[in-house]
Amino acid sequence: QVQLQESGPGLLKPSQTLSLTCTVSGASITSLQYYWGWVRQHPGTGLEWIGHAYYAGSSTSNPSLQNRLSMSLDTSNNQFSLSLTAVTATDTAVYYCVRGMARQVFDAFDLWGQGTTVTVSS
Amino acid sequence: EIVLTQSPGTLSLSPGERATLSCRASQSVLRSYLAWYQQRPGQAPRLLIFSTSVRATGIPDRFSGSGSGTDFTLTISRLETEDFAVYYCQQYGSPLWTFGQGTKVEIK
Repeated sequence: QVQLQESGPGLLKPSQTLSLTCTVSGASITSLQYYWGWVRQHPGTGLEWIGHAYYAGSSTSNPSLQNRLSMSLDTSNNQFSLSLTAVTATDTAVYYCVRGMARQVFDAFDLWGQGTTVTVSS
Repeated sequence: EIVLTQSPGTLSLSPGERATLSCRASQSVLRSYLAWYQQRPGQAPRLLIFSTSVRATGIPDRFSGSGSGTDFTLTISRLETEDFAVYYCQQYGSPLWTFGQGTKVEIK
């Protein structure tokens, strides 16, 4: 059974850097059948795509976050990570790591982590 | 950016009834790259449908998706108790992937 588990700080101050890690169990992030990404959900609202990375290719991300965002794959530990710099209160959200199907195109997210709550407050 | 507008915002139905959820895109969704997710309270979203009409693994056949271009529909043929949740559509046919704002299906 494949599982995704997010980890990271629950509370940050404005201007700090958010670093989240997703640990994958039951599957390898080097698989060519899947890509690995992040989605966030602001309190009480809908979902926002952050970005994703593929072992055999480059990463792509939401233009609204691109200047502050970096993503990476750690094949040694079968993890992938997100780093978001200069956070503000608008980055307060539940962050989900996700797995997507790499078929003829990058298809939908077929597996989600349980989510981790990140709060930015002074 | 493709904006997805879901309607209605809330759907009040009884178990056993049919639910029809709409997702309208501000521009045509390339090759019908549209998915539907279900989110129950306190849980992560779960993939129901991808590529407009393909059911994800383990999804019961009472869930079906249809549509093309700018108009897409998720239909739940007979609502079960566990189907009362929030449903989101998502397009991944453009460089900027976007979600709809959600439709809540509640017990009448």
